[in-house]
Parts: sequence; structure tokens; C-alpha cells
Amino acid sequence: QSVLTQPPSVSGVPGQRVTISCTGSSSNIGAPYDVHWYQQLPGTAPKLLIYGNSNRPSGVPDRFSGSKSGTSASLAITGLQTEDEADYYCQSYDSSLSGCVFGGGTKLTVL
Amino acid sequence: EVQLVESGGGLIQPGGSLRLSCAASGFTVSSNHMSWVRQAPGKGLEWVSVIYRDATTYYADSVRGRFTISRDNSKNMLYVQMKSLRAEDTAVYYCASYDGSGYYGRWGQGTLVTVSS
Repeated sequence: QSVLTQPPSVSGVPGQRVTISCTGSSSNIGAPYDVHWYQQLPGTAPKLLIYGNSNRPSGVPDRFSGSKSGTSASLAITGLQTEDEADYYCQSYDSSLSGCVFGGGTKLTVL
Repeated sequence: EVQLVESGGGLIQPGGSLRLSCAASGFTVSSNHMSWVRQAPGKGLEWVSVIYRDATTYYADSVRGRFTISRDNSKNMLYVQMKSLRAEDTAVYYCASYDGSGYYGRWGQGTLVTVSS
């Protein structure tokens, strides 16, 4: 059971907007530690998608955005494309565990 | 171009030991915080260990006392020595740079460790 809670799956059609939630607690997201998001395409290593709650690394399309409020965070993907089909993970730091924690991952299916 | 390349994975019997390596290019291991993150087959990501620039190390509860993270500055390499391996340690192990702001910026391609008799 992961410290950060994500929905196991979400789906959408091309062009649609989808959101993925990440719920934590007062020892991590609510502490408040930053939330970061990763995209893992099938058979590949994770790739940093959003850092510091809402910042995009160079090369990440602005279709991807992140937000955080209280003990939760969200990743939004607008203008959904077939190549967005992947697993998405949120990550933060947990003071009670003295280490980084991940969400269980959300599989995005583009129908 | 920055590259992190892991090696050393394989099939190992329960109770055995294994050392994973991570070779860095275009990137100085000693100037960065570095971590190992693993992913069991079909499962999510799990932080394993971190070594900070000042050589301070931390471990997940699941591996503390069995795994040791280290680096060789002269070779620009990151390592994790794993002992008393268990079936639940079976995973793809990734080395990753760990930014001071708390995120993993660069990842290797991973190396698979299978603990089985």
C-alpha cells in the first residue's frame, strides 16, 4: 500500500482533458513538501514530467500541468494524445519515514 | 549528453549478495545527490536509498542493514551492495539523480534483479 494514493486507472479520448489525483497526509504533501510527477511509457524508465508542484522541465509540452492544495495534488493533461498512454506517478518526501514516497501509479488509457 | 547506465543485475538465490553499478557520463556523480529506486514486476516505484553530495546516506526501512549505497568519485560511478537478498527484492533497479528540491531528474534505463531459487 503506497503512502500517496492515486487512482489505479483513468481513461480519455483524444483531445479530451483528464486529471490524475494524488492524496497524501500532513507528513508529506501537507507538510508541505513539493509534489513531483513522472511519466513511464511502456517498457521504459520513468521520466520527470512536473517538478515543484507545477513546473515543467524543458521539453515537456504545456499540455501537462500540475497543482497542489493542502494534502493533495493533481496532474492535468489537456488535448489528450495517443502517445500520452503511460503510467503516471506522483512523488513527495515524507518526514515520518525520512525518505521519498511515491504514489501507486495511474495507468492512463487513451481510447 | 547526460547518461546513467546501470549494470550488475541478474538471477541470484535467496540469501545471496549482488552489487549493482551505475556509470555516469556527461554528469558528475560526486557533485550530485544520487539515489536508487526500484520497481517490482508490474508494481509501482519504491525509493531504496540516497547518497547526498556530502556522502550522507539514507535507506528505506525495507533494505536498511542489508543494502549499502556508495560512490567512486574517481570512476564517476554509483553502487549499491545488496546482501541477504529476498524474493521481495526482485525488481528493476534504477539509478537516478536526486535534486535538492526533492525530485529525480535523470534516470538510467534500469537493471533487473531476480531473487529466486
